[in-house]
Amino acid sequence: GDSVTQMEGPVTLSEEAFLTINCTYTATGYPSLFWYVQYPGEGLQLLLKATKADDKGSNKGFEATYRKETTSFHLEKGSVQVSDSAVYFCALSHYGQNFVFGPGTRLSVLP
Amino acid sequence: GAVVSQHPSWVICKSGTSVKIECRSLDFQATTMFWYRQFPKQSLMLMATSNEGSKATYEQGVEKDKFLINHASLTLSTLTVTSAHPEDSSFYICSLSGGMNTGELFFGEGSRLTVL
Repeated sequence: GDSVTQMEGPVTLSEEAFLTINCTYTATGYPSLFWYVQYPGEGLQLLLKATKADDKGSNKGFEATYRKETTSFHLEKGSVQVSDSAVYFCALSHYGQNFVFGPGTRLSVLP
Repeated sequence: GAVVSQHPSWVICKSGTSVKIECRSLDFQATTMFWYRQFPKQSLMLMATSNEGSKATYEQGVEKDKFLINHASLTLSTLTVTSAHPEDSSFYICSLSGGMNTGELFFGEGSRLTVL
């Protein structure tokens, strides 16, 4: 079945550092790919998404590019802030159904 | 996108009691909602798919008599944890699919259950 793998956390960075959180997937066909963010004590919010190969999703300074050849969707941000501290989930789905989530990566940004 | 609201956001109960968590879709008619459980510092575990007007579909290993799901209308699904025990303490999150139009899941704020 489909699966999503993320780099293990926690990831601890200083403010303004560069962030990369790796995500790779295994799936049949051509799924849509997502990054969701969960702030402490809250539900998940969509951060960005990409629906086909070579698409780049971007939001709030975060970016991720759908790489079909490497089955990856790595999340990047050039300069993190303390307010970016959260848990980040990579996910895939087919036509809005059967979502599969990665294990999540906890990010802590220190001032 | 769709707005999903859960209530209560936090509940503490005594062992043996039952707790009901509501999930409302405020601006979207949802024929299907999903219930997830999240243990501390862990990922989401899909518990069941709630179908409006019919029985929920439970994932393997989830006790349907323990976690009662009712989806009586297009805007409301409820999860009742029956005879709760400390091991049921967890963060429960509902979501609904935006379908093929948006292809994304919309999540509620989550409900933290603590069973003493």
